[in-house]
Amino acid sequence: EVQLVESGGGLVKPGGSLRLSCAASGFTFSSYSMNWVRQAPGKGLEWVSSISSSSSYIYYADSVKGRFTISRDNAKNSLYLQMNSLRAEDTAVYYCARVDPYKGPSFWGQGTLVTVSS
Amino acid sequence: DIQMTQSPSSLSASVGDRVTITCRASQGISNYLAWFQQKPGKAPKSLIYAASSLQSGVPSKFSGSGSGTDFTLTISSLQPEDFATYYCQQYNSYPPTFGGGTKVEIK
Repeated sequence: EVQLVESGGGLVKPGGSLRLSCAASGFTFSSYSMNWVRQAPGKGLEWVSSISSSSSYIYYADSVKGRFTISRDNAKNSLYLQMNSLRAEDTAVYYCARVDPYKGPSFWGQGTLVTVSS
Repeated sequence: DIQMTQSPSSLSASVGDRVTITCRASQGISNYLAWFQQKPGKAPKSLIYAASSLQSGVPSKFSGSGSGTDFTLTISSLQPEDFATYYCQQYNSYPPTFGGGTKVEIK
């Protein structure tokens, strides 16, 4: 069974940093691109970042470029999102999602809440 | 960036109704269009990919159609478990973008 479990969320002050993790199981993690997608309270879905299977291709939304860094460790079946210079508008539930070729994000984790507030 | 416009933003329907949600892309995306269902407090669930292909395990009451810029999601006979918010997403080009969502509520 495919499982994606996010962790690392919490309360952080503006300007602070946080590192999210996504533990994958039930599939060959190293074969898939992965996404981070976020959802602010009461709002819609917003794509944040993508990373290819071998980390060769990395993309960011303009809203996080220069502040967030996506990475992965295929040996540990884990995806990461390093978030620096956090702002109030980064407050959201952050989901990791597996991207299936030609299918888009097909499996999602349960999400982890990041709250940026003083 | 490609803008995805969903309509309506919300609708009220009864159990057994046929429901159609539309999604329009600001430029052509071929068939690189996915639909997701999200219930309150839960993660999105993928329903349809490539505009009209059903994800494994998704009931056949869900169907998708369209290509280019105009797409639809249809629920043939609405059931209580279908009341949720639905999102479209284009994955033709970066950044992948979502529609604003359609909340399907009980009439």
